[in-house]
Amino acid sequence: QKEVEQNSGPLSVPEGAIASLNCTYSDRGSQSFFWYRQYSGKSPELIMSIYSNGDKEDGRFTAQLNKASQYVSLLIRDSQPSDSATYLCAVNINGGYQKVTFGTGTKLQVIP
Amino acid sequence: DVKVTQSSRYLVKRTGEKVFLECVQDMDHENMFWYRQDPGLGLRLIYFSYDVKMKEKGDIPEGYSVSREKKERFSLILESASTNQTSMYLCASRGRVSTEAFFGQGTRLTVV
Repeated sequence: QKEVEQNSGPLSVPEGAIASLNCTYSDRGSQSFFWYRQYSGKSPELIMSIYSNGDKEDGRFTAQLNKASQYVSLLIRDSQPSDSATYLCAVNINGGYQKVTFGTGTKLQVIP
Repeated sequence: DVKVTQSSRYLVKRTGEKVFLECVQDMDHENMFWYRQDPGLGLRLIYFSYDVKMKEKGDIPEGYSVSREKKERFSLILESASTNQTSMYLCASRGRVSTEAFFGQGTRLTVV
């Protein structure tokens, strides 16, 4: 079992819709969870971090964490074509020196 | 403005050559990381360093070594480049208490 799993997509949503991206992780002791966005040919950039169960909202983005079920999700409301990118889930696996493990990413396409 | 700078954007090397990839950060971060990114495999951790002269193997250290003589600089060394090391290499840094990892622009290495 991979430490961090994501559906590779592509996930296609129409402009203005809600995009829902999901991620599961294997280490029950994981403490910190991150969502990065990566445009084609560019480096990943952090868009959300979440540390406790529940929802965390930042503008059009909402991160959701459920430690009991070991999943973390990212919702993008009012999706825009500029949101088209690969979204990487990252987890600070417990016991490492700030080690962060990435999923393979989900490619999101927002259709105008 | 925070900055992680990788020495080359594109690099072409011959099989068997010794290759140095350099990364410099200006944020006084303790933790630095080298990842490679391949289609379908996502970001995989090669090595990381949590202090000067300290290093830890990541998930795929074979064929690589690293050097961290100064806090701001983390070098990745391919002792004898092989074609299966053709990839995008990403350097990242992260503070001791900070949660966000900042990435360099990436080096696309082709080994022929």
